[in-house]
Amino acid sequence: SQQGEEDPQALSIQEGENATMNCSYKTSINNLQWYRQNSGRGLVHLILIRSNEREKHSGRLRVTLDTSKKSSSLLITASRAADTASYFCATDPRDNSKLTFGKGITLSVRP
Amino acid sequence: EAGVAQSPRYKIIEKRQSVAFWCNPISGHATLYWYQQILGQGPKLLIQFQNNGVVDDSQLPKDRFSAERLKGVDSTLKIQPAKLEDSAVYLCASSLGAPGDIQYFGAGTRLSVL
Repeated sequence: SQQGEEDPQALSIQEGENATMNCSYKTSINNLQWYRQNSGRGLVHLILIRSNEREKHSGRLRVTLDTSKKSSSLLITASRAADTASYFCATDPRDNSKLTFGKGITLSVRP
Repeated sequence: EAGVAQSPRYKIIEKRQSVAFWCNPISGHATLYWYQQILGQGPKLLIQFQNNGVVDDSQLPKDRFSAERLKGVDSTLKIQPAKLEDSAVYLCASSLGAPGDIQYFGAGTRLSVL
C-alpha cells in the first residue's frame, strides 16, 4: 500500500507561475522527501524535511510539513518549462519500514 | 562522482522468457534497492540489500523474481519466467545506508513483455 498520496494528480501552469503540490500520509514519519522524475529517467532527490521541521527552502523550492495534519506541500516558484516532470513524495515511516513513494503528480509548465 | 549505472536501458521479451538487469551503485553506498515502476505509478520496492545481505524482500514475487548482490557491490535482478504484467520500468537506487537516507536512482530499464 502507498503511504503518501499526492494531490492533484496532474497540474498544468504557465511559465513564471507558482506550482503547489500536496502530499498526505497515514503513519508517523521520521522524514518526508520529494523527488522529481523527468520522462524516461530515474528519480532525482529534491529536498528532505524532518519530522521536527516545519519549513525548508532550496532555491526555488519551498517545502512545508504539518505533522498534525500528516501533510506536506511542495511549492515551486517562478516555474520554468524545464520543471515539467513528475513529482513524488516519499515517507520514511517511524516504524523503520521502507521508504514509500506516492503515485506522483504530473506537472506541465507551458512556455 | 559517477551515478548509479543500470543496463540495459530497454528490453523487449516474450512472455515465459527470462531476463536479467544489472546495477552498479554509487561507490561506497552500502544499501541497494530494486524498484518496479508501472506506468503512471510510483516506484514499488522489490528488494533492499544492506551490503550483500537482504534487508527487505517482502514484495518480491519469489516464484519468478530473484536478485543477488555479490561482494556487496553490483547487483542483478532476474525474472524467470516473465509475465505480461511484469512490463514496467525497473529502477535501481543506492544510499549510504542509514534508514531514511536520500536515495540516488539509476535511469532504469524499461521492460516490455509481449
